[in-house]
Amino acid sequence: QQQVKQSPQSLIVQKGGIPIINCAYENTAFDYFPWYQQFPGKGPALLIAIRPDVSEKKEGRFTISFNKSAKQFSLHIMDSQPGDSATYFCAASRGGANNLFFGTGTRLTVIP
Amino acid sequence: NAGVTQTPKFQVLKTGQSMTLQCAQDMNHNSMYWYRQDPGMGLRLIYYSASEGTTDKGEVPNGYNVSRLNKREFSLRLESAAPSQTSVYFCASSTGTASGNTIYFGEGSWLTVV
Repeated sequence: QQQVKQSPQSLIVQKGGIPIINCAYENTAFDYFPWYQQFPGKGPALLIAIRPDVSEKKEGRFTISFNKSAKQFSLHIMDSQPGDSATYFCAASRGGANNLFFGTGTRLTVIP
Repeated sequence: NAGVTQTPKFQVLKTGQSMTLQCAQDMNHNSMYWYRQDPGMGLRLIYYSASEGTTDKGEVPNGYNVSRLNKREFSLRLESAAPSQTSVYFCASSTGTASGNTIYFGEGSWLTVV
């Protein structure tokens, strides 16, 4: 049973476009929602994370939007660049836990 | 900084063979993890160690054993490999729990069981 559902599976955008990746969860005990970025042949690396007490968090060109009532959160990449081409994973965990539940990943391709 | 280092990078095993994946971190982290990554399934936690001397099961522990040798090292053992264990394995570490702390991943070990 997938604890975090992620869509779409793949996404192709033109340079400068704003790709949006969506995630949904059911467990209301989750209180930490990170996004990880993975390049081919590498391990995932933390990109940005949010707690449910805020509805939006920005770091550079990356923004997380969080809707607690809908139990959904999304990643927006402003002014996307070919170097952003990677696989993106959303994840969730609850306080004090050692298990981070990952979504199934979205492969993003940014065309020059 | 090396970060999280895991070996080997690639391995091919025959069904029934055993092997150990080695992992070491140089960030003085308390928590260490082993994840597997499969197409269409994201990353799933196999085992974790919250501190030296302790280990606990994650989502998919069957067929695996782990050892937290010291604070730096956390190994994953496949006692009798099965084709279903063909996957990419990632070791990772963090200062504290997975909730709220950055998890740092190694570069992965590609394992094929034939």
